[in-house]
Amino acid sequence: QVQLQESGPGLVKPSGTLSLTCAVSGVSINSKNWWSWVRQPPGKGLEWIGEINESGSTSYNPSLKSRVTISLDKSKNQFSLKLTSVTAADTAVYYCARAVAGPFDSWGQGTLVTVSS
Amino acid sequence: QPVLTQSSSASASLGSSVKLTCTLSSGHSSYIIAWHQQQPGKAPRYLMKLEGSGSYNRGSGIPDRFSGSSSGADRYLTISNLHFEDEADYYCETWDSNTRVFGGGTKLTVL
Repeated sequence: QVQLQESGPGLVKPSGTLSLTCAVSGVSINSKNWWSWVRQPPGKGLEWIGEINESGSTSYNPSLKSRVTISLDKSKNQFSLKLTSVTAADTAVYYCARAVAGPFDSWGQGTLVTVSS
Repeated sequence: QPVLTQSSSASASLGSSVKLTCTLSSGHSSYIIAWHQQQPGKAPRYLMKLEGSGSYNRGSGIPDRFSGSSSGADRYLTISNLHFEDEADYYCETWDSNTRVFGGGTKLTVL
């Protein structure tokens, strides 16, 4: 059974860089999957940030593309998110998720990141 | 890219059934979608994948009280024999080459 676990700082200063990691267990990150990041501002809906596949190909939400980088670390079976130039609008619960052939079928528990000085 | 539209809220009585709707935007009526449930304070949970034909596949451990159906651009999630634990936000999701989209979510209240 696939398990995903997010980790990273819970507080980031405005104009700084948000960095999160998703540790994957139960499946190799080399397998044919898409590994994604999704966020949810307090009291709001889900927003797809972007994803990466086992080959390292990426796709990003056009509204965030200029600030987002998603990467793989195959040696640690994990993938990461970097979001630059953050503002208060980036305050959200950040989830990592897996898609096999279409929809997300596994989700991490989420981690709250607050942007504040 | 596709857009998904959901009603913001719905309510139904304990033990009854409810049907939630997710509507695909013009030109995308054949798209496959997925339904996810998000209970208060928890991560989303995958419920099912639903095709335009109405064929659906539930995720692992999802009870058969949850079913799907389709009509044109509309995709439905029906929950039968409502439990209090079904009170949650329900999101539909779809995908295209290089993009994924969520609906705005429907907040279900069990009375």
